[in-house]
Amino acid sequence: GDSVTQMEGPVTLSEEAFLTINCTYTATGYPSLFWYVQYPGEGLQLLLKATKADDKGSNKGFEATYRKETTSFHLEKGSVQVSDSAVYFCALILGGSNYKLTFGKGTLLTVNP
Amino acid sequence: DAGVIQSPRHEVTEMGQEVTLRCKPISGHNSLFWYRQTMMRGLELLIYFNNNVPIDDSGMPEDRFSAKMPNASFSTLKIQPSEPRDSAVYFCASTAGTPDTQYFGPGTRLTVL
Repeated sequence: GDSVTQMEGPVTLSEEAFLTINCTYTATGYPSLFWYVQYPGEGLQLLLKATKADDKGSNKGFEATYRKETTSFHLEKGSVQVSDSAVYFCALILGGSNYKLTFGKGTLLTVNP
Repeated sequence: DAGVIQSPRHEVTEMGQEVTLRCKPISGHNSLFWYRQTMMRGLELLIYFNNNVPIDDSGMPEDRFSAKMPNASFSTLKIQPSEPRDSAVYFCASTAGTPDTQYFGPGTRLTVL
């Protein structure tokens, strides 16, 4: 079945450090890929998405590129801030009328000042 | 817009009791999802409604769980009888049209003693 594997956390960085959170997927078709973020005490929010190979999703300084050849969608940010501390979820959904988001387990990021 | 509203935010109950979780989706959204989040299993889709009709309830754990959507602005998830293994955070999410961009509520943290 479809699945998403993301790097185990927690990840602890200093402010202005470079961030990479790895995500790989297994899917039977051609999925759309997503990163959701969950701030403490809140629900998940869509951070960025990419719907086809080689697309780059970006938002709030975060980027991720849909790599079909490596079935990956790694999340990166050049300079993290304390306010980026949250849990990050990689997810996929198959195209068409499919509605089912399949999430990774989540990666806790803590950014220290 | 107020976003997706869930109540209660926290619920503590004893094993065997009935629990009802409530969700008000964003006005105008025609799809609603209930998820469960646990450390062991991550985020799992429990049930999906479209235009108030249950489309996929394959994620509902067992007959103790039931969900309803009597109108476009309200949904409930009921557990009867509750068990300690039901302890989790339950999220409601809604979307209009595209199922990939789901808007999550803040969640209900359920503890069954």
